[in-house]
Amino acid sequence: EVQLQQSGPELVKPGASMKISCKASGYSFTGYTMNWVKQSHGKNLEWIGLINPYNGGTSYNQKFKGKATLTVDKSSSTAYMELLSLTSEDSAVYYCARSVVAKGYAMDYWGQGTSVTVSS
Amino acid sequence: QIVLTQSPAIMSASLGEEITLTCSASSSVSYMHWYQQKSGTSPKLLIYSTSNLASGVPSRFSGSGSGTFYSLTISSVEAEDAADYYCHQWSSYRTFGGGTKLEIK
Repeated sequence: EVQLQQSGPELVKPGASMKISCKASGYSFTGYTMNWVKQSHGKNLEWIGLINPYNGGTSYNQKFKGKATLTVDKSSSTAYMELLSLTSEDSAVYYCARSVVAKGYAMDYWGQGTSVTVSS
Repeated sequence: QIVLTQSPAIMSASLGEEITLTCSASSSVSYMHWYQQKSGTSPKLLIYSTSNLASGVPSRFSGSGSGTFYSLTISSVEAEDAADYYCHQWSSYRTFGGGTKLEIK
């Protein structure tokens, strides 16, 4: 069974950085790209970027360049997203989601989401 | 960046009714994906590449469209279909629509 297990909710102070993890299981980690998606106010979905776990190659939404850094650890089948210099605008739920070329890069499996609250 | 506009923003439907949700793109895209998100859960893939049903999705869901206009149809609405629905394009840059909230009367 394919599963993407994300790290727990975070409360962070403005200006801080933090890292969310997404542990994959049930499939070949290096065979699928991993995306990260932001959902604000329980509604708007924004694609942040993706990483190819096979070679570490990344592609970012221009809006999130300098805000998010995507990495993977192939040995543990875990993807990471680091969020930098956090502000209240970064308060949201963040999802990791696998995409597959055979389905037109649709995101066929999603993590449960990680809630990030930025507050002093 | 291609903007996806979903209509309507909120739809109220009766059980058994056939409904169509639409997604209009600011420029032509090659295909569209659709996701369903129930309250408090992660989005779930419904339709990929415009018209292909994702695994485990009931056959009452279908998708169609081309170019700048795409749609998601539910042939006979059930209570469990109450959710937010999002379109998503991957052809150029990656964007999501603003969503349609489906309410059951």
